[in-house]
This record gives sequence, structure tokens and C-alpha cells, in this order.
Amino acid sequence: AQRVTQPEKLLSVFKGAPVELKCNYSYSGSPELFWYVQYSRQRLQLLLRHISRESIKGFTADLNKGETSFHLKKPFAQEEDSAMYYCALKQAGTALIFGKGTTLSVSS
Amino acid sequence: DAGVIQSPRHEVTEMGQEVTLRCKPISGHDYLFWYRQTMMRGLELLIYFNNNVPIDDSGMPEDRFSAKMPNASFSTLKIQPSEPRDSAVYFCASSVQGSTIYFGEGSWLTVV
Repeated sequence: AQRVTQPEKLLSVFKGAPVELKCNYSYSGSPELFWYVQYSRQRLQLLLRHISRESIKGFTADLNKGETSFHLKKPFAQEEDSAMYYCALKQAGTALIFGKGTTLSVSS
Repeated sequence: DAGVIQSPRHEVTEMGQEVTLRCKPISGHDYLFWYRQTMMRGLELLIYFNNNVPIDDSGMPEDRFSAKMPNASFSTLKIQPSEPRDSAVYFCASSVQGSTIYFGEGSWLTVV
């Protein structure tokens, strides 16, 4: 069965520290992976999709098929990065399956 | 485009009452999704439609939940009768085949 696992509910870091939000998946086909971000009480917004291989707001994520991972990284965290981050997998068809999310808290 | 529009944004209702949540997808999008967000379970897919036809409703928790899409620009999610455990944020989202899924701002439901 398709599944997305985000092992950390909460990640607290200091401003300027590196950030890595972990995401592992299980999927029998070729996965399409995404990261969505949700700022306090707002709608979910697409942050990254693995096929784009882009960097948004300093965040990057690389799909590692061998480890079935799609970790989100940023070298230097900013306070405005504080939000809930969801890793998602797009199953055949078009529905997204989400992990349970990780709250990132960046303090000064 | 104004994006995916949901109403009401907030609703507080008493247990046993009927709740209707509404969604207007982005014009031209042929996929519509309903998700539920809770602290305990995160984001769960409830149901999704393609060209107004329900494709997968396996995430609908029980018969108290129903969803319809009478036309390409409108969908409803109904809970009857509502229970306190239905309290959550309900998100509607839409997309074009193979493209980014865009979310609405959510409907915050509290059942007391």
C-alpha cells in the first residue's frame, strides 16, 4: 500500500542552523513526490515537486529511490520558515497521499 | 483566478445537526478533492472527483458523510448527523490532470 512517513512531529532549530525534514515513502510504481507547506491557519501551498528539481525559498529535496526517501533540506533556517510541512506522494490517478506532517519551529 | 473557494470558513454546530461544506474549484480544473485535517491523523483524503464523477470515496469515514459534485464549478460535503469527532478542518482542492493540486483555505468545523 502507498504510504508516506514523516517520523518527526516537531523539529525545533535555531535561526541559521541547517534543517532536514525527513520523509520516507512506500509505493510500488514510479513515485511522484511533493512537499507542501502550511503557514499558521492558512491553506496548503506547494513548496517543491521532485520532478522540478528546483530550490524554493532555499529549500531543496532529492528523491532517493534506493532509500525511498525525499528529505527536505535548507542550509540556514529563517524564522519565517516556521510552519507545518507535509510530504506527499501522488498515486496513480491524481490524488495526493500525505504524511502526518512535521512542525518546524525556528527560533532566534 | 481567485483560487479554490470554500464556505463557510468557520462553523460551530451542535451534535446531531446537518453540516454542509461547499467548494468552488478553480475554473477549468477537472479534478476535485476533499481532505480532512486533524491533529491526530494529519491530512486524510476523503473523496475525489474527475469530471464531476466520484472516482475514489474509500476515505469517507462512514455513511454519515456524503459528497456531491452536480457541476464542474461546485461541490458539497455533507455530514448528517454530525458528531464531536467530526471536528476538523476540511480542505477542498482542485487540479488539472497531471498538474499541481491547489488547496482552498479550509472550513474549520467544530461540533459541540
